[in-house]
Amino acid sequence: DQQVKQNSPSLSVQEGRISILNCDYTNSMFDYFLWYKKYPAEGPTFLISISSIKDKNEDGRFTVFLNKSAKHLSLHIVPSQPGDSAVYFCAGRPAGTASKLTFGTGTRLQVTL
Amino acid sequence: KAGVTQTPRYLIKTRGQQVTLSCSPISGHRSVSWYQQTPGQGLQFLFEYFSETQRNKGNFPGRFSGRQFSNSRSEMNVSTLELGDSALYLCASWTGVANTEAFFGQGTRLTVV
Repeated sequence: DQQVKQNSPSLSVQEGRISILNCDYTNSMFDYFLWYKKYPAEGPTFLISISSIKDKNEDGRFTVFLNKSAKHLSLHIVPSQPGDSAVYFCAGRPAGTASKLTFGTGTRLQVTL
Repeated sequence: KAGVTQTPRYLIKTRGQQVTLSCSPISGHRSVSWYQQTPGQGLQFLFEYFSETQRNKGNFPGRFSGRQFSNSRSEMNVSTLELGDSALYLCASWTGVANTEAFFGQGTRLTVV
């Protein structure tokens, strides 16, 4: 049972355009969501997070939107840059379970010139 | 401030052997979690240690075990290695404060032959 799903394994976007990465979840107990970026042979790097009591969180070029009724998250990157090319993972964390994160399978973003 | 340090970075073991991986969290972080990443899979939660006690456990067989020392450093052990245990093993360090992110190390790439 995959509780966090990233249905697009890959995405290609032109430099300067918007990248939209999507994530769906099934576990209603999740109260905190995070996005991580990962380069090959490195550990994931934290990007941005959102609490379930909010519907939007913004940090520079990165914005995360949460639609609780649809159990859907999205990460917007504007404008996209070549250095953003990486694998992006979304993760959910249930309340009261400390650091236990349930990850999606990731979306590989390629930003082309 | 030093990040999360995992040793060794690469390891090759033979089926049936056992292996011990090490993780030093960020100074002051009391929670250490372990994750397994295999090709085509998202990161899967193994277990979490907080103040030397296992606090959460994922769905892995008993061959996977861990411990945490009084200085918060953690070790993960896998006994009777199988080919399917070949993976990137990631350690995450967390302060323990709610709604904050976990920081990952670069991982240990384990290959079982």
